[in-house]
Amino acid sequence: QKEVEQDPGPLSVPEGAIVSLNCTYSNSAFQYFMWYRQYSRKGPELLMYTYSSGNKEDGRFTAQVDKSSKYISLFIRDSQPSDSATYLCAIVGSNYKLTFGKGTLLTVNP
Amino acid sequence: DSGVTQTPKHLITATGQRVTLRCSPRSGDLSVYWYQQSLDQGLQFLIHYYNGEERAKGNILERFSAQQFPDLHSELNLSSLELGDSALYFCASSPGISGHNEQFFGPGTRLTVL
Repeated sequence: QKEVEQDPGPLSVPEGAIVSLNCTYSNSAFQYFMWYRQYSRKGPELLMYTYSSGNKEDGRFTAQVDKSSKYISLFIRDSQPSDSATYLCAIVGSNYKLTFGKGTLLTVNP
Repeated sequence: DSGVTQTPKHLITATGQRVTLRCSPRSGDLSVYWYQQSLDQGLQFLIHYYNGEERAKGNILERFSAQQFPDLHSELNLSSLELGDSALYFCASSPGISGHNEQFFGPGTRLTVL
């Protein structure tokens, strides 16, 4: 079983839709949970960061962590064409190594 | 612009050859991380340097090596190249030593091995 599993998509939604992106992980020692966004031909950039179970909100973005189920989610409300990118979950374990999911390609159609 | 620079942007070479990828971290950042991104494997951590010292190794092949110099720039050396080494190579930097700090990624070097 891979340490971090992420559905690669692709996911295509109309503008204004609510988007749900998900990852599961296998190692309960993972402590920090991040979402990175990667536009085409660019490096990833940090979008959201959390270290505890529950929800964290930042504008149209909400990161959700359920440690008991080893499941993390990113919700995007009122999605915009500018949100079209690949979204990567990233998880940090006790050795502080960052493990990425494979990424989900999202397209928001105007 | 993250402040991390990588050169070259593109590299095309042949199997068996050796190449060097270069990374300059953001001003003040002491940590440099190298990643390989391919379609089938995703973004894979290769190696982490902090202030000139190797701190952690990931899925880095023995044919690959890296170093961080006193001015904090880093180089990733790839030798005896194989077709499967074709990928995007990213460098990232962060101020501290811990992997849970935000990492700032460069634009990447696209390596094509023919």
